Amino acid sequence: EAGVAQSPRYKIIEKRQSVAFWCNPISGHATLYWYQQILGQGPKLLIQFQNNGVVDDSQLPKDRFSAERLKGVDSTLKIQPAKLEDSAVYLCASSFPPGLGQETQYFGPGTRLLVL
Amino acid sequence: AQTVTQSQPEMSVQEAETVTLSCTYDTSENNYYLFWYKQPPSRQMILVIRQEAYKQQNATENRFSVNFQKAAKSFSLKISDSQLGDTAMYFCAFRNYGGSQGNLIFGKGTKLSVKP
Repeated sequence: EAGVAQSPRYKIIEKRQSVAFWCNPISGHATLYWYQQILGQGPKLLIQFQNNGVVDDSQLPKDRFSAERLKGVDSTLKIQPAKLEDSAVYLCASSFPPGLGQETQYFGPGTRLLVL
Repeated sequence: AQTVTQSQPEMSVQEAETVTLSCTYDTSENNYYLFWYKQPPSRQMILVIRQEAYKQQNATENRFSVNFQKAAKSFSLKISDSQLGDTAMYFCAFRNYGGSQGNLIFGKGTKLSVKP
C-alpha cells in the first residue's frame, strides 16, 4: 500500500517569495493534516481537513498561509509571502476520520523549507 | 490546554541494552490516546506504539513497551534489546478521544543514539 506522498522534498526561497507544497494521502483516508515542525521542536498542527472541509485551522497564520483540498483527496499548502521564521519541515499526515477507533496518523516524508 | 513534556533532550544506550524514555502530559480529560512516534534522521515519522487511556493494560509491540501511569499522567517508553536502527528522535504525542478534531499534541522529542 502506498504511503503519504509529499513534494517537493526540499525548497529554498528568498523571504517575501511564495511557495506551495503538495500532499497526496493514503487512499481511503478522509482526514488530512498539515503540521509545521521547527528545528528542535515537535510538530504543530496547522490545519485539519475532513474530506474537502476544514475541521481545525485555529493555528494557521491566515495572513500568509492558505491550504485547500478541493476534491477531498490531494491537498496544497501555500505560503505567501514567506518569512524567515517559516523555515521548517512541513509534514502531511492522513488517517481515517477521528471517532471510528482507527486513530493512527500516517506521515509523509515532509518538505524541508529554508527561507533566506 | 493539553501539554506534553519530554524532559530528556538526548539519551544514548549500548546496543542490546534497555533504555527508557520519559513523557509526562497534562490534561483534564478522562479519555484520550497517547502515542510514541519515531523519526529517524532524514526519514519520515512512523508510529511505534499507541495506548488508549481507558485501557489499564500497558501496550507492547515486540521490543517496545510502555509504562502508562494515568494518575501520575506519565507515559514512558521502554526499548529492550536496543538495535542500531533504533537511533532516531522519539516523540510522545497526545490526542483527545472522540470528537472530530484529531490534532496530535507533541512533546519536543528525545534524541536517542544507539552505540555499537
